Amino acid sequence: DQQVKQNSPSLSVQEGRISILNCDYTNSMFDYFLWYKKYPAEGPTFLISISSIKDKNEDGRFTVFLNKSAKHLSLHIVPSQPGDSAVYFCAASTNTNAGKSTFGDGTTLTVKP
Amino acid sequence: DARVTQTPRDKVTEMGQEVTMRCQPILGHNTVFWYRQTMMQGLELLAYFRNRAPLDDSGMPKDRFSAEMPDATLATLKIQPSEPRDSAVYFCASARTGDYGYTFGSGTRLTVV
Repeated sequence: DQQVKQNSPSLSVQEGRISILNCDYTNSMFDYFLWYKKYPAEGPTFLISISSIKDKNEDGRFTVFLNKSAKHLSLHIVPSQPGDSAVYFCAASTNTNAGKSTFGDGTTLTVKP
Repeated sequence: DARVTQTPRDKVTEMGQEVTMRCQPILGHNTVFWYRQTMMQGLELLAYFRNRAPLDDSGMPKDRFSAEMPDATLATLKIQPSEPRDSAVYFCASARTGDYGYTFGSGTRLTVV
């Protein structure tokens, strides 16, 4: 049973436009959600997070939205840049798990110049 | 810039051989995670430690995998005997208690032939 799902394996957008990456989860006990970015031959890098008590968190060009009733979160990148091309992982955590995160399979974003 | 250091970077071994992967967490980080990424799946948690004590190793095949933290600066993941299906990239990550975002190492790419 995959508790965190990223249903789009890949996404391609034009430079300057908005990129929207989606993530769904099934475990209602998750109370903290994170996005990581991964370049080839490197480990994932923490990008942005959101607590379940919020519905939006913004950091520069990156905004994460959380819809708890739908068990859905999304990452918006505006404007998209070619350097944003990477694999993006959604992850979720419960307080009771002492920091253990469950990851999705990732979405490969390609930003075309 | 504090980093999580993993060695070796790449390992090719024959089926049946023992493989040991090492991780040096960031100084001051007391939680260490081992994740595995295969072509078919996202990041799969194998085991994690807090203050050197194992908290969860339920994701690890117990008959052939073992994970230890001999001291606060070293975590090891051992596979004995290795099998072709173990071929994957193994990531180590570290964090401090209460942190939700992890710092990942660059990974060990294991190929078992």
